[in-house]
Amino acid sequence: DAKTTQPNSMESNEEEPVHLPCNHSTISGTDYIHWYRQLPSQGPEYVIHGLTSNVNNRMASLAIAEDRKSSTLILHRATLRDAAVYYCILRDFPYGQNFVFGPGTRLSVLP
Amino acid sequence: DAGVTQSPTHLIKTRGQQVTLRCSPKSGHDTVSWYQQALGQGPQFIFQYYEEEERQRGNFPDRFSGHQFPNYSSELNVNALLLGDSALYLCASGLRDRGPTGELFFGEGSRLTVL
Repeated sequence: DAKTTQPNSMESNEEEPVHLPCNHSTISGTDYIHWYRQLPSQGPEYVIHGLTSNVNNRMASLAIAEDRKSSTLILHRATLRDAAVYYCILRDFPYGQNFVFGPGTRLSVLP
Repeated sequence: DAGVTQSPTHLIKTRGQQVTLRCSPKSGHDTVSWYQQALGQGPQFIFQYYEEEERQRGNFPDRFSGHQFPNYSSELNVNALLLGDSALYLCASGLRDRGPTGELFFGEGSRLTVL
């Protein structure tokens, strides 16, 4: 079973910020939080990851709660191309490639 | 730089048949994993290969087997196909030495339909 819970779907207007939440109350001290997204008819693609501190990259920002039991993926200005299913994944020791994907959050972006 | 490539993109089989799916990892990557994605669901981990050996395995029966070649490419074999094996099969590659911070690169998948 997935160790994370996310809303099934969210909607945003184009060029507005989007905050995608993820709960991971059973996270352990060595678990990394990864986000991937899957555009229609494509394989998942990496978005961002973090351990304890907030992280920024060219695609998004990741805000991690102080107790690490939740995190939020932030898209600063949603575009139509950001419409996808977003997956929040905990990557645990020994850090293999056995990602546990839940159903994710389907983000719709309205023009 | 080519990413992860998979073949074939689509295929149709009948129950009881066997299928082989192929994957070439992103240039420079040394680990390959396979995922099954049923319609409307998230991908499920099948197994991971590194140094030509299966290193981790998900909750899939022995009908699912794989192989990794010296050039790091990989095959997924499924025997005695069932209707429930119909899914998108995704291959992902990465660098083992990157540990928990390394990202996986996924291919676009092979869509298998079992009739």
